[in-house]
Amino acid sequence: GNSVTQMEGPVTLSEEAFLTINCTYTATGYPSLFWYVQYPGEGLQLLLKATKADDKGSNKGFEATYRKETTSFHLEKGSVQVSDSAVYFCALSDSSGNTPLVFGKGTRLSVIA
Amino acid sequence: ETGVTQTPRHLVMGMTNKKSLKCEQHLGHNAMYWYKQSAKKPLELMFVYNFKEQTENNSVPSRFSPECPNSSHLFLHLHTLQPEDSALYLCASSQSFGLLEAFFGQGTRLTVV
Repeated sequence: GNSVTQMEGPVTLSEEAFLTINCTYTATGYPSLFWYVQYPGEGLQLLLKATKADDKGSNKGFEATYRKETTSFHLEKGSVQVSDSAVYFCALSDSSGNTPLVFGKGTRLSVIA
Repeated sequence: ETGVTQTPRHLVMGMTNKKSLKCEQHLGHNAMYWYKQSAKKPLELMFVYNFKEQTENNSVPSRFSPECPNSSHLFLHLHTLQPEDSALYLCASSQSFGLLEAFFGQGTRLTVV
């Protein structure tokens, strides 16, 4: 079945550091890939997405590239801020329309000033 | 603001109480979902409604009872809950079941005492 594996957290970085959160997936067909962010006390918000191989999703300085050859969708940001502290979820939607979104376990990021 | 509204935001209930959680979306989406998010556990999909029909019930105890009266509203009726049911309950919707991204509400923080 479909699955998403994220790096274990928590991740603690200093402000302005470079961020990478790894995400790999297993899926049949050609899934769409997503990163969601959950700020403290809130629900999940879509951060970015990519719907086909080699697409790059970007938003708020975050980027992720859909790599079919490595089945990966790593999240990156060149310079994190304290306000980026949150839990980040990688997710996939397969192309069948028969199964709901599959989420990774989430990675907690703490950015310290 | 994602277009999905959940009420109440916080709820404290005794184990013998009956309460309901409400979710509303006016995005024109056809699929709606209930998720449970507990501390240190992955996001758990509880129920799925697609065009007002329940399509998934992931072995959820009968003390949780969903209701979808129309495509814009989703309820989760709660009765005789246990303390381990304390969690953040998230509602989400998507244009089509399993395809594209889901939009989440801010969640209801439930505490069972």
